[in-house]
Amino acid sequence: KNEVEQSPQNLTAQEGEFITINCSYSVGISALHWLQQHPGGGIVSLFMLSSGKKKHGRLIATINIQEKHSSLHITASHPRDSAVYICAAPLMDSSYKLIFGSGTRLLVRP
Amino acid sequence: EAGVTQSPTHLIKTRGQQATLRCSPISGHTSVYWYQQALGLGLQFLLWYDEGEERNRGNFPPRFSGRQFPNYSSELNVNALELEDSALYLCASSIGTSGINEQFFGPGTRLTVL
Repeated sequence: KNEVEQSPQNLTAQEGEFITINCSYSVGISALHWLQQHPGGGIVSLFMLSSGKKKHGRLIATINIQEKHSSLHITASHPRDSAVYICAAPLMDSSYKLIFGSGTRLLVRP
Repeated sequence: EAGVTQSPTHLIKTRGQQATLRCSPISGHTSVYWYQQALGLGLQFLLWYDEGEERNRGNFPPRFSGRQFPNYSSELNVNALELEDSALYLCASSIGTSGINEQFFGPGTRLTVL
């Protein structure tokens, strides 16, 4: 079992739809990261959260530390949201290295 | 403020050669992390440098090494290149070493080994 698991692996949506991507983790973490990777490969950090909810534009991230679960929501999705979304958790050992989920490939059709 | 920068953008080498990849962290960041994303695979932790020292490494052979300079920039060296080393190499930086600190990623270096 992977320490950080994401679902779904692939997601196709119509423009305007509300999208949810889920992340579950089994390791002890201090915070969880949501990352976005576009086809060119570059990664952008969307959120880092350790509790509750954060919102940035049409993106909302929530985390439930007790249940070890986080969700990334995209409201009013747009084709430019098409990307791979990755959740990552820093291990609470001395390294704080990130352990990554396998990613969710999102395609938003116009 | 400039983000994390990496060079070169693309690098093509042949088997057995050595590759050197470079990373400049965000100003004020002392920690640099290296990650590998091989084709079709997820991101894997490679190395972590902080304050000029290697603090941790992932499950990679000793052919993968690096260093961090006094200005906190970092270099990743891959010796005796193998075909399976072809991947996107990403560098990230953060302030200090607390797990709470966000890691900011560079655009990556795509290494192709022929």
